[in-house]
Amino acid sequence: DAGVIQSPRHEVTEMGQEVTLRCKPISGHNSLFWYRQTMMRGLELLIYFNNNVPIDDSGMPEDRFSAKMPNASFSTLKIQPSEPRDSAVYFCASRNTNIGSYEQYFGPGTRLTVT
Amino acid sequence: QQQVKQSPQSLIVQKGGISIINCAYENTAFDYFPWYQQFPGKGPALLIAIRPDVSEKKEGRFTISFNKSAKQFSLHIMDSQPGDSATYFCAASIESGAQKLVFGQGTRLTINP
Repeated sequence: DAGVIQSPRHEVTEMGQEVTLRCKPISGHNSLFWYRQTMMRGLELLIYFNNNVPIDDSGMPEDRFSAKMPNASFSTLKIQPSEPRDSAVYFCASRNTNIGSYEQYFGPGTRLTVT
Repeated sequence: QQQVKQSPQSLIVQKGGISIINCAYENTAFDYFPWYQQFPGKGPALLIAIRPDVSEKKEGRFTISFNKSAKQFSLHIMDSQPGDSATYFCAASIESGAQKLVFGQGTRLTINP
């Protein structure tokens, strides 16, 4: 199994630009989570989906952030316009609740730098 | 009420020693308590997890101790090895409900050879 795949691994962009982060969950997993990790705030849940439907987006910091899951094998997190304070590592994680599993499998992350 | 507080922030242990990391929570509805291990440049990976119906769970050199009345749980790493050097996160969630993991702030563990 390839695990959770995220792209790009590193992104450097200028303030005001649109940024799109991509995630491919593990095949067969029906829940997908987007997290942000910073030194100051640690690991924060931004949004999660069950069966491609957004369940809780209360962690999304503001309207500049949006996430979609058009099908079971792909999700995007978009920031428009980006700001320097959005600089962080963004993780995608997936899990299979169909087998009663609680474990979340994390991808390698996307390190975003906004200058 | 959703917070999970973790301590210490950093820990240095000699090879062969016992590493202990502690977490405390407020929300009594939490029913799943995992520990994640993260190496530099990698995503967190599940190390071991416990449900509140048991007071201890052991997997190899890793043990979770759980104190429901005190609302605390801890990770013990026996015979700590340099390869255990990583950042460790405790977490908690309400699996019967929202299923969102709330993470502690993390502990950077260094095992000196």
